[in-house]
Amino acid sequence: RKEVEQDPGPFNVPEGATVAFNCTYSNSASQSFFWYRQDCRKEPKLLMSVYSSGNEDGRFTAQLNRASQYISLLIRDSKLSDSATYLCVVNGGSQGNLIFGKGTKLSVKP
Amino acid sequence: EPEVTQTPSHQVTQMGQEVILRCVPISNHLYFYWYRQILGQKVEFLVSFYNNEISEKSEIFDDQFSVERPDGSNFTLKIRSTKLEDSAMYFCASDGQWGNIQYFGAGTRLSVL
Repeated sequence: RKEVEQDPGPFNVPEGATVAFNCTYSNSASQSFFWYRQDCRKEPKLLMSVYSSGNEDGRFTAQLNRASQYISLLIRDSKLSDSATYLCVVNGGSQGNLIFGKGTKLSVKP
Repeated sequence: EPEVTQTPSHQVTQMGQEVILRCVPISNHLYFYWYRQILGQKVEFLVSFYNNEISEKSEIFDDQFSVERPDGSNFTLKIRSTKLEDSAMYFCASDGQWGNIQYFGAGTRLSVL
């Protein structure tokens, strides 16, 4: 069974904190990796794609370790608006469908 | 910015009734998907659609479900005889290139009573 596993949290952090999320995936054939964020009762929205070389977008840094089948997301200088559920997502290998983790809930407090 | 639009935003129906959920994917996209999310659970893949036919479907997508692209813009999901357990958010997504980034619509919340 193709799965994506994440720590469900919740992570409760103060503004300005650095927080890290981890994810593992079981399908070694997966080729594309993403972090999406989902606000309560809203649709998933792409936060960033994840590349083997690692990539950064402002306060967000994503890393991929294909050998360990492990993906991470680091958020620096947390803002109140970062409060959301962060979804680790991989594609299904030969198929185009996405496989979602259950998500990690982040709550940033003033 | 182009977006995927879904209607209705909320659909209430009686068990056993047929429902049709509608989606307008981003105009130049070629790959279309339906996902569902039961309250409190993860987003689950239902079906993918390309070149006017189903590319892949999950075990959830049984004979009660069907998809159609009746014209050049709409992409629909039909549930023939709804069950209580079909209550969920249904998200439509599209992308312009296989394996690329998928963009999601705001979803239709289906409540089966």
